[in-house]
Amino acid sequence: QTVVTQDPSFSVSPGETVTLTCALNSGSVSTSYHPSWYQQTPGQAPRTLIYSTNIRSSGVPDRFSGSILGNKAALTITGAQTDDESDYYCVLYMGSGIWVFGGGTKLTVL
Amino acid sequence: QMQLVQSGPEVKKPGTSVKVSCKASGFTISKSAVQWMRQARGQRPEWIGWIFVDSGNTNYAQNFQERVTITRDMSTSTAYMELSSLRSEDTAVYYCAADKGDHSGLFIRWGQGTLVTVSS
Repeated sequence: QTVVTQDPSFSVSPGETVTLTCALNSGSVSTSYHPSWYQQTPGQAPRTLIYSTNIRSSGVPDRFSGSILGNKAALTITGAQTDDESDYYCVLYMGSGIWVFGGGTKLTVL
Repeated sequence: QMQLVQSGPEVKKPGTSVKVSCKASGFTISKSAVQWMRQARGQRPEWIGWIFVDSGNTNYAQNFQERVTITRDMSTSTAYMELSSLRSEDTAVYYCAADKGDHSGLFIRWGQGTLVTVSS
């Protein structure tokens, strides 16, 4: 069974750069998986930040960027702000019409 | 304003069905794929399935294959997700999402979510 893994939590200070990652239990993540990242605060709808590895959604600040780092998809926040404190999820396209979500990373900024 | 508007919260008894709607406002989903996922409290999101609005073709996650039906009404730019044989474990917030109208299935625009509670 395919499992998409994210670090459960991360803590950074305001102004620091943080990179969140998204890995597969069975191989490397590549651009073929069209990794997407979304942000979700409790009680709110998800907000897509990045799709297809590195394309920023409309209105998303440029401090958010996506990439492939080694064998994982990555979301980098350059100069984290307190407003960025949230849960971050990745989702991968596995092919054959199948999508799989990661378990999410809870980011604390303080 | 372009948004997906979902139907309101539902409370259902075990063994019954629920049908959640997702209506596009301010744009058309006629060339989109519409995705459905759910998230129970404290759990990771689960992908349910998707529909290509123009053709009506669907694909479902294996875990939901036998209980879910995703449909659409092109005349009202609305997609629907019906889940049958409900059990308590189906209690979750259900979300729809649409791509950019390119059939990619990418989760670009999201609905606000619909809380479905299954309780006797």
